[in-house]
Amino acid sequence: AQSVAQPEDQVNVAEGNPLTVKCTYSVSGNPYLFWYVQYPNRGLQFLLKYITGDNLVKGSYGFEAEFNKSQTSFHLKKPSALVSDSALYFCAVREPDRGSTLGRLYFGRGTQLTVWP
Amino acid sequence: KAGVTQTPRYLIKTRGQQVTLSCSPISGHRSVSWYQQTPGQGLQFLFEYFSETQRNKGNFPGRFSGRQFSNSRSEMNVSTLELGDSALYLCASSHPRTSGEETQYFGPGTRLLVL
Repeated sequence: AQSVAQPEDQVNVAEGNPLTVKCTYSVSGNPYLFWYVQYPNRGLQFLLKYITGDNLVKGSYGFEAEFNKSQTSFHLKKPSALVSDSALYFCAVREPDRGSTLGRLYFGRGTQLTVWP
Repeated sequence: KAGVTQTPRYLIKTRGQQVTLSCSPISGHRSVSWYQQTPGQGLQFLFEYFSETQRNKGNFPGRFSGRQFSNSRSEMNVSTLELGDSALYLCASSHPRTSGEETQYFGPGTRLLVL
């Protein structure tokens, strides 16, 4: 069965420092992986995705994520955090070529990122 | 392009009532998915529609239903509301490919409060 784990409910980091939000997944075959961000009282905003190819994926607002197949991880990173990055971050996975569950995303529980000024 | 729109943004209902939520996808997107978000359960998949057909359904009771129209707009309905149905209901649209690599783009959600 497909699943996503975000082991940290909260991540706190000082502005200007690098940040990492962790995600591990469990899925049959090669996964499609996604990161979304949610600001208060808003929907989910797409940041980046991994489909195939280069293990380092670059996305919006300076975020990037590293796919590690051996560790089944897809950690979100940013070299220098901003106060405005404070939000709730979700990792999601989809199994490719699964007709019965084709469109469905499986989400982690979310990680609340707080960036201190 | 305009993003995914959802109406209404906020709703207050009482137990036993029913509610209908609406979602208009991004122009050209033919797939619409619905998710429920609660603090306790997180993001849970409700169902997905493509070309007016439900092609995927999550583990929710039959009180939760949906449909999609020929213009790809979608509605979801919850009958006999329960307190536990209070949640943020999110709609997402995508331009599906057979491999499933497409990105889902989310609307702002409808926040439902059941009293």
